[in-house]
Amino acid sequence: RKEVEQDPGPFNVPEGATVAFNCTYSNSASQSFFWYRQDCRKEPKLLMSVYSSGNEDGRFTAQLNRASQYISLLIRDSKLSDSATYLCVVNSRAGNMLTFGGGTRLMVKP
Amino acid sequence: DTEVTQTPKHLVMGMTNKKSLKCEQHMGHRAMYWYKQKAKKPPELMFVYSYEKLSINESVPSRFSPECPNSSLLNLHLHALQPEDSALYLCASSQLGQGDEKLFFGSGTQLSVL
Repeated sequence: RKEVEQDPGPFNVPEGATVAFNCTYSNSASQSFFWYRQDCRKEPKLLMSVYSSGNEDGRFTAQLNRASQYISLLIRDSKLSDSATYLCVVNSRAGNMLTFGGGTRLMVKP
Repeated sequence: DTEVTQTPKHLVMGMTNKKSLKCEQHMGHRAMYWYKQKAKKPPELMFVYSYEKLSINESVPSRFSPECPNSSLLNLHLHALQPEDSALYLCASSQLGQGDEKLFFGSGTQLSVL
């Protein structure tokens, strides 16, 4: 089993739709979780950290389920500009070591 | 705008060339990283420096040689690369300490080895 797994997609959704991605992780001792967004040929950019209580930033909501070892990202009212690859990142190893999931590609269409 | 600056943005080199990638950050981060990313794949960790000391080398071939001259700078020296080394090379920095390890990436160097 991979340390961090994501459905690669692509998820093709119309503008205005709500879309959710899940990410599973194998190390139950993981403490830090993040979602990054990466546009084609650009660097990954931090979208949001994921906290135990869940957190929201505008149209984006992140949740953590420790019992089932997954995190989720919900995007409401999708915009064309949300089209990107979303990377789940977990500190699944000792020290300052973050492990990336394979990424989920989202395409929002008019 | 990224607070981690990488140069050059693009690099084309032959297999016998020697070149260097440079990275600079002024956020006071004490951890710096080199990642390699191929198309449609996630970034793969190559090296980690903590407090200017190499703490992690993910079994990277010796034709890649990292250097951390001070807490703000990170270099990656390239020598005798192979065409399969063509990729996007990303530098990142972070604080040290659990919960603070979110990465801030530079815009990357797109490397082509001919």
